[in-house]
Amino acid sequence: AQKVTQAQTEISVVEKEDVTLDCVYETRDTTYYLFWYKQPPSGELVFLIRRNSFDEQNEISGRYSWNFQKSTSSFNFTITASQVVDSAVYFCALSLTGFQKLVFGTGTRLLVSP
Amino acid sequence: DVKVTQSSRYLVKRTGEKVFLECVQDMDHENMFWYRQDPGLGLRLIYFSYDVKMKEKGDIPEGYSVSREKKERFSLILESASTNQTSMYLCASSETRAGYTFGSGTRLTVV
Repeated sequence: AQKVTQAQTEISVVEKEDVTLDCVYETRDTTYYLFWYKQPPSGELVFLIRRNSFDEQNEISGRYSWNFQKSTSSFNFTITASQVVDSAVYFCALSLTGFQKLVFGTGTRLLVSP
Repeated sequence: DVKVTQSSRYLVKRTGEKVFLECVQDMDHENMFWYRQDPGLGLRLIYFSYDVKMKEKGDIPEGYSVSREKKERFSLILESASTNQTSMYLCASSETRAGYTFGSGTRLTVV
């Protein structure tokens, strides 16, 4: 069975601080996909990134970066120079090939204060 | 723009009522899903479907059923609503090359 753990329930930072959201996953399959979603107060899930298990390259998109390490089964998400608009709940998720069911972590609530 | 549409954003129902939550996707995706979201528990899978008239139980199917008579529509049914089913319900669809698309969610309150 697959499992995703987000141990940080809530993180509070002040604007312009860097923040890292942790994600640890479990699966016995060798082929899988990892995702990060953002859920702002409006409630919609906003897709941020998808990574397959064969691509361990780190990725950077503006202020966002992701660190995928198969050796530690982690897929951590860093926001550089955080902004108030980054305040949201962030979910890490995992699926197997074929985009079948998506298994979510319990989410991390990020509060960025001015 | 491709979409997953959930029929209601907010819904208030009475205990014991039969409740239908509708979800329609316009992307011709094979797979459709119903999730429930509760604080501190994340999103938990209720039911999913890989094809018309096919359904499989997710992690928390008790008290729910589903219907998929057409490829684009996936309905979640609460046979007899109870207060512990008060929650946010999210529908999603997916296909191998396309990834997942989520609806806006239905916040259901059972009183």
